Amino acid sequence: DAGITQSPRHKVTETGTPVTLRCHQTENHRYMYWYRQDPGHGLRLIHYSYGVKDTDKGEVSDGYSVSRSKTEDFLLTLESATSSQTSVYFCAISEWRGPTDTQYFGPGTRLTVL
Amino acid sequence: KQEVTQIPAALSVPEGENLVLNCSFTDSAIYNLQWFRQDPGKGLTSLLLIQSSQREQTSGRLNASLDKSSGRSTLYIAASQPGDSATYLCAVKDNNNDMRFGAGTRLTVKP
Repeated sequence: DAGITQSPRHKVTETGTPVTLRCHQTENHRYMYWYRQDPGHGLRLIHYSYGVKDTDKGEVSDGYSVSRSKTEDFLLTLESATSSQTSVYFCAISEWRGPTDTQYFGPGTRLTVL
Repeated sequence: KQEVTQIPAALSVPEGENLVLNCSFTDSAIYNLQWFRQDPGKGLTSLLLIQSSQREQTSGRLNASLDKSSGRSTLYIAASQPGDSATYLCAVKDNNNDMRFGAGTRLTVKP
């Protein structure tokens, strides 16, 4: 599992409340990613980071922000949660070997917004 | 925009059968292609990664091939077992670090 943990693993919240999900890795990987997985859409990239304080948007970044103040932690924040953000959220890292990288995923966080 | 398609969406086979899962993509300018396995309620497990310069990769009973010119990849599973039952996802990464996933093929191997 490349030393990736996510917290919380499950969360139920109400519309309009802020939510922060945490991804923690223990192997000093530079690249980290946040995806969401929804039926009918597969996995879609929300944001990614290529170093401390270096982040970029993915395919579905609206309504989400991220922060990375330490190599090991990548936080995903929903400033004001909406029901459309009910999903399973996965964190991933890139492990580089030579010229290419393999992505490894965390166990996921199931978020329900009521 | 890269689009990744996996057909069939679901597949059921008897134990011991050899099978092929298909993945197609619309833009051949890829960086790499990765096959994952996902068990219900779990995260993704990386199975095989093929660089854009490679044609195939093998790991145990699994063999993945890549044909960039036709925009296709296949995952071959030999001598299937009930423990192979899972959803198999392919993902294509481009040179801008953008990774696009297929919707997956749900495989059931019946004892």
